[in-house]
Amino acid sequence: DAGITQSPRYKITETGRQVTLMCHQTWSHSYMFWYRQDLGHGLRLIYYSAAADITDKGEVPDGYVVSRSKTENFPLTLESATRSQTSVYFCASSGHGWVYEQYFGPGTRLTVT
Amino acid sequence: GESVGLHLPTLSVQEGDNSIINCAYSNSASDYFIWYKQESGKGPQFIIDIRSNMDKRQGQRVTVLLNKTVKHLSLQIAATQPGDSAVYFCAEKSSSNTGKLIFGQGTTLQVKP
Repeated sequence: DAGITQSPRYKITETGRQVTLMCHQTWSHSYMFWYRQDLGHGLRLIYYSAAADITDKGEVPDGYVVSRSKTENFPLTLESATRSQTSVYFCASSGHGWVYEQYFGPGTRLTVT
Repeated sequence: GESVGLHLPTLSVQEGDNSIINCAYSNSASDYFIWYKQESGKGPQFIIDIRSNMDKRQGQRVTVLLNKTVKHLSLQIAATQPGDSAVYFCAEKSSSNTGKLIFGQGTTLQVKP
């Protein structure tokens, strides 16, 4: 199906483990984004990418790593998960620099125990 | 720094009434704004956008008003329905022209039958 998908939808992991959240979009959008959503904080940008092999930090990048070897994929890795990274993670994409409407995936609910 | 905020965290309205959700922004140079709707357990969904060269834009049952003088944005929903119950976010294009959006905290709209 066309659109933007995230996997897994739910994940429980232990403190210290590495976790990778996947994001895939079928629109060939240039821009992709990772947000986390916590109560009281709204959507906070973790990392974003303007194109393949171009990534940059957002508001809360510490503890996360991203890569973008292909336009359609933008995985987010928690290198050593901490309880403070328990959150709902959303991936989004948008077409071009002058088109700012972002399309969001369904989210991944991550719990770090 | 840049910030986008909402006046009311929760709005409760009767089914059939009109709803008005407000948003204040701080960057007077912002030239593009979006309203998103987020239903429980889902990712944010685009509702309507407006550029700074406009004061008003209408969609289906929704109207966005922009008052640049006081840096205020509002979303009006006509004949509010139970399906409109959700969290509504305003977002502002980042001045850095990197494709980023700055999101407000969100307002919960509750529609009473």
